[in-house]
Amino acid sequence: AQTVTQSQPEMSVQEAETVTLSCTYDTSESNYYLFWYKQPPSRQMILVIRQEAYKQQNATENRFSVNFQKAAKSFSLKISDSQLGDTAMYFCAFTRDGWGKLQFGAGTQVVVTP
Amino acid sequence: GAGVSQSPRYKVAKRGQDVALRCDPISGHVSLFWYQQALGQGPEFLTYFQNEAQLDKSGLPSDRFFAERPEGSVSTLKIQRTQQEDSAVYLCASSLRQAFSDGYTFGSGTRLTVV
Repeated sequence: AQTVTQSQPEMSVQEAETVTLSCTYDTSESNYYLFWYKQPPSRQMILVIRQEAYKQQNATENRFSVNFQKAAKSFSLKISDSQLGDTAMYFCAFTRDGWGKLQFGAGTQVVVTP
Repeated sequence: GAGVSQSPRYKVAKRGQDVALRCDPISGHVSLFWYQQALGQGPEFLTYFQNEAQLDKSGLPSDRFFAERPEGSVSTLKIQRTQQEDSAVYLCASSLRQAFSDGYTFGSGTRLTVV
């Protein structure tokens, strides 16, 4: 079985600052995918960034980057130059190689203040 | 369509009532997933379709929950004899192919409130 843990229920950050969200997971699989999803009040899950476990290089998408530590089973998300539109719930998710059933963490609420 | 469409957006049901939630995936998407998201929690997997075949229903919480996708496009999640613990947002996601690497598109969900 796999578990995904997000230990920060809420994070507050000022505009233009940087915030880091933590995620740890537990799996016995050797190949898998990890994701960060953003869920604004509209409820639609939006993919922020993804990482394939066999790739050592950390994924980056514009202001979003991850720190993937495979041995430690850690997958943190860094949001740089935070913007008001980044305010949302952020979920870490896991899927093993295959057809892709996602397992989500409990989420971290990010609030960006002016 | 341009995205995954779910209807209704909100549904209030009296306890014991049957409900049907609709998901219209992106045209041509083979894979379709249903998730249940309780208030303040992350989504939990319910069931998975590849075209019209339901390949995994291990997440359905009870036999009151039933999902179908008869023609491999639109899917319906049916909940019989609703109970208060069924109150949640029900999310649908679709993907072009079986392989996850194509990525998912989620709908905006249906918020079900059982009173």
